[in-house]
Amino acid sequence: QKEVEQDPGPLSVPEGAIVSLNCTYSNSAFQYFMWYRQYSRKGPELLMYTYSSGNKEDGRFTAQVDKSSKYISLFIRDSQPSDSATYLCAMSRIKAAGNKLTFGGGTRVLVKP
Amino acid sequence: GAVVSQHPSWVICKSGTSVKIECRSLDFQATTMFWYRQFPKQSLMLMATSNEGSKATYEQGVEKDKFLINHASLTLSTLTVTSAHPEDSSFYICSAATSGRNNEQFFGPGTRLTVL
Repeated sequence: QKEVEQDPGPLSVPEGAIVSLNCTYSNSAFQYFMWYRQYSRKGPELLMYTYSSGNKEDGRFTAQVDKSSKYISLFIRDSQPSDSATYLCAMSRIKAAGNKLTFGGGTRVLVKP
Repeated sequence: GAVVSQHPSWVICKSGTSVKIECRSLDFQATTMFWYRQFPKQSLMLMATSNEGSKATYEQGVEKDKFLINHASLTLSTLTVTSAHPEDSSFYICSAATSGRNNEQFFGPGTRLTVL
């Protein structure tokens, strides 16, 4: 069993819809949670960084963490075709420059005009 | 800020040759750099962690003699794939982190390696 599970998709939504992404994890030692966006043949770009249960909002993005259920989510409001990409969740045990990230497999999202 | 570059962006080489990939943090000093590989439609797999001036720590199953990592300065790390074979063809991505940036990892744009 993988430490972090993420549905690979693809997830296809019409422009303007809400995109809902999630990851589950098995290791309760994970304390810090991130969402990255990766366009094809590019490096991942950090979207959200959270470390406590609850919601965190940044523009059209909302990250949700439920440590008791070991479940994290990312919501994208008013989706645009430019949001079409692969979204990766990642998590780590400690907050330090040397901390390792454990990634989910990524969900491919397609926003249709 | 927090820009990480990689060079080259893509490389094609013959089987048996060695290839060097550079990773640079352009506007900050990176305490730690990480090297990942990513196969098509798969997630990132950590290969090794390197700290400036010390030997890299390799993940289980990664051959340290095949994937040589040098972290000579706080802004430069290199990955050399020695005696490359077709199965080494992949997308190699580096990231850089520093406590001064909230310990976030900033990723480079990746290097696509094709071994013929």
